[in-house]
Amino acid sequence: AQSVTQLDSHVSVSEGTPVLLRCNYSSSYSPSLFWYVQHPNKGLQLLLKYTSAATLVKGINGFEAEFKKSETSFHLTKPSAHMSDAAEYFCVVSDRYGGSYIPTFGRGTSLIVHP
Amino acid sequence: DAGVIQSPRHEVTEMGQEVTLRCKPISGHNSLFWYRQTMMRGLELLIYFNNNVPIDDSGMPEDRFSAKMPNASFSTLKIQPSEPRDSAVYFCASSSRLAGGLVNEQFFGPGTRLTVL
Repeated sequence: AQSVTQLDSHVSVSEGTPVLLRCNYSSSYSPSLFWYVQHPNKGLQLLLKYTSAATLVKGINGFEAEFKKSETSFHLTKPSAHMSDAAEYFCVVSDRYGGSYIPTFGRGTSLIVHP
Repeated sequence: DAGVIQSPRHEVTEMGQEVTLRCKPISGHNSLFWYRQTMMRGLELLIYFNNNVPIDDSGMPEDRFSAKMPNASFSTLKIQPSEPRDSAVYFCASSSRLAGGLVNEQFFGPGTRLTVL
């Protein structure tokens, strides 16, 4: 069975400092991994995805994530936080499970950016 | 493409009434998902369709909830009768499939905010 653990429910940073949102997954096969962002009162939007190509994935708005199979991790990073990055972030794994391919969402990490 | 379209955007109803939420997926996508989001429970997958066929409905809370996908361009989620604890934001998402059957990125609609009084 697949699962996703987002290690922090809240992360607080100052504007201009680096961002690290942690995600660990478990999967029996070769998964696809995604990060989505949700701004207040909005739907979810894809930030980036890993689908067995390059392990370092670049996304929108300066975000990137590295797939580390040995650590079963897919942490999201950004060198310098902006006020507009304040949002909820979801890590998602999609893998074969019982013959189906159902995405599994983490609980989410709320990113707070201080001026 | 206009993206995933959901209607209505807001719905306020009274306990016991029937509620129908609608979704139009992106043309060409063959997977459709219904989610519910609340502060207490986070984002929950309710049901998942592939090629208009329900694949997994284990997340549907109870018999009061039902979902249909009569064709590739339309799906409904119905709650009958509605209860205050059904108050939430309901999202519809669609996606295509990668080689090997893995689900590709999901495109989410703006959601329907349901309030049951």
